[in-house]
Amino acid sequence: DAKTTQPNSMESNEEEPVHLPCNHSTISGTDYIHWYRQLPSQGPEYVIHGLTSNVNNRMASLAIAEDRKSSTLILHRATLRDAAVYYCILRDFNSGNTPLVFGKGTRLSVIA
Amino acid sequence: KAGVTQTPRYLIKTRGQQVTLSCSPISGHRSVSWYQQTPGQGLQFLFEYFSETQRNKGNFPGRFSGRQFSNSRSEMNVSTLELGDSALYLCASSSVLQVGGYTFGSGTRLTVV
Repeated sequence: DAKTTQPNSMESNEEEPVHLPCNHSTISGTDYIHWYRQLPSQGPEYVIHGLTSNVNNRMASLAIAEDRKSSTLILHRATLRDAAVYYCILRDFNSGNTPLVFGKGTRLSVIA
Repeated sequence: KAGVTQTPRYLIKTRGQQVTLSCSPISGHRSVSWYQQTPGQGLQFLFEYFSETQRNKGNFPGRFSGRQFSNSRSEMNVSTLELGDSALYLCASSSVLQVGGYTFGSGTRLTVV
């Protein structure tokens, strides 16, 4: 699987937007970009995924660079509940059954 | 709908013993994956089952095994426990050919003493 690079940690003020970056310079044309987050004492939680176009859902937005070598997860208004480890994961749709490969992720702290 | 249920939530075992963990996926999900999470190694893939067949396997010793039943419920077993097996064991389920989300359970915290 292609690798991703994320900052180890980030900090945000409550109710401010948060932009979590992810670099994936070796991404292939069939790799989907997935984001998961893991809240304290819980299993990972699916956030969003995309292929080429920007994506929005009720949790977040995903902005994908035109060359697809990087992407940004955007939380529009951070809350204390958004404090978690955020994982950016590539998954080749053509391979069908490949498991999720988690890196170290970005630990997001939200300050009240 | 009910989420992924893992039992038990907490478990303490002695070195050399064996342990069985259980996972009930979301109704209708036929794929079940298992992960081990430790502070040092992070989240590591153990194996995945689909329709009672192991479809993928991670890089773990043969002491780690699993199975899936006809109702899609899955169990994983660790034999001859070692101290290093202390970890959070997570189960995730997904529907057929689902590109997007896996749904994870809250995990079983195993402590080996």
